[in-house]
Amino acid sequence: KQEVTQIPAALSVPEGENLVLNCSFTDSAIYNLQWFRQDPGKGLTSLLLIQSSQREQTSGRLNASLDKSSGRSTLYIAASQPGDSATYLCAVKRGGGADGLTFGKGTHLIIQP
Amino acid sequence: NAGVTQTPKFQVLKTGQSMTLQCAQDMNHEYMSWYRQDPGMGLRLIHYSVGAGITDQGEVPNGYNVSRSTTEDFPLRLLSAAPSQTSVYFCASSRKPGQDEKLFFGSGTQLSVL
Repeated sequence: KQEVTQIPAALSVPEGENLVLNCSFTDSAIYNLQWFRQDPGKGLTSLLLIQSSQREQTSGRLNASLDKSSGRSTLYIAASQPGDSATYLCAVKRGGGADGLTFGKGTHLIIQP
Repeated sequence: NAGVTQTPKFQVLKTGQSMTLQCAQDMNHEYMSWYRQDPGMGLRLIHYSVGAGITDQGEVPNGYNVSRSTTEDFPLRLLSAAPSQTSVYFCASSRKPGQDEKLFFGSGTQLSVL
């Protein structure tokens, strides 16, 4: 059974710092990996999706990498801002069907002004 | 841009009551799914659908029922509510593989079963 682990569970950094969030998964046979952002009391917003054949994806100040063979992904946030404060979740998809994602428990990020 | 719309946002039930959580999307997505989010557990898949008339079970389907009569709607029914079903429920949709498969979520339904 696929398990997804996110480290650290919580992180607090001053504004302006670059930071890295980590995600690991136990079964490297994945179809894709997504990083999501969740604000308190709200739903999830997809930030980046990496297909299993890709190594990384970038969107603005966000960069996500994927090393499928080692079962790891990182989300890099450049020049952090207070508005980046949220919980970030990593999720992997096993196959090309609709059988859903396996989620990590998330990293709760606080950016101090 | 409505996206994925869930109703209600909050609900309190007594043990044994039944209810339906509504979910609708206006993006013409083929895939729709229901997740529950519990503290310390992460999100877990309840049921999913690949299109109208087709549904299947996820990781935690017991106590829930779904149907998909149209592409837009995917309601989740609690047959006889139990305290263990106290959770936040999220509906999600996406395109099918081969297209942009980003998952779009509704804003959630917070359910308490007393």
